[in-house]
Amino acid sequence: ETGVTQSPTHLIKTRGQQVTLRCSSQSGHNTVSWYQQALGQGPQFIFQYYREEENGRGNFPPRFSGLQFPNYSSELNVNALELDDSALYLCASSHGGGENIQYFGAGTRLSVL
Amino acid sequence: AQSVTQLDSQVPVFEEAPVELRCNYSSSVSVYLFWYVQYPNQGLQLLLKYLSGSTLVKGINGFEAEFNKSQTSFHLRKPSVHISDTAEYFCAVSEWAGTALIFGKGTTLSVSS
Repeated sequence: ETGVTQSPTHLIKTRGQQVTLRCSSQSGHNTVSWYQQALGQGPQFIFQYYREEENGRGNFPPRFSGLQFPNYSSELNVNALELDDSALYLCASSHGGGENIQYFGAGTRLSVL
Repeated sequence: AQSVTQLDSQVPVFEEAPVELRCNYSSSVSVYLFWYVQYPNQGLQLLLKYLSGSTLVKGINGFEAEFNKSQTSFHLRKPSVHISDTAEYFCAVSEWAGTALIFGKGTTLSVSS
């Protein structure tokens, strides 16, 4: 059973650019959630995708968008990057349904200069 | 809306001593509760979860936690810590059938010899 994998591991962008982060869910999971973890803070929920549809969203602006593919992998896109977008971006996968047990990948470290 | 308060930002302890990391939550609905551990430069690993049933839950690496509904707490304990337990620990809450995990700000556990 493969776990949650994310790519790339590190990324450096400049302010105003766009970035795409990728996540492969754990086998058997149909739900992917994305989180932003600023330095020294707990993760903050960005959004969740269930069967290719957005299924919940946190307090993030529309320039944060996502996709989920038929194989349940997912992308997080961020447009018009700002310095405050520098963070660790975590992807988590889970079974759809009530218990919401989420398993996390190692994350992508994004630095915006 | 839910919220999580981790009462200690840092907990220093000597090897083989017991430890308790405290977590209080706030919610107007029934919740699931989780503890995750994050080692340096890594993602989050699920330590244990409370979904229903027995209020004392056991997790990996010898950790356990007790759900106290009247005090809205979910404290994490280990009877004897090891150097390798040094990490950041996050408490998280989710509504039943919810999407987001709401995290606390984390507690840094530092184990020294």
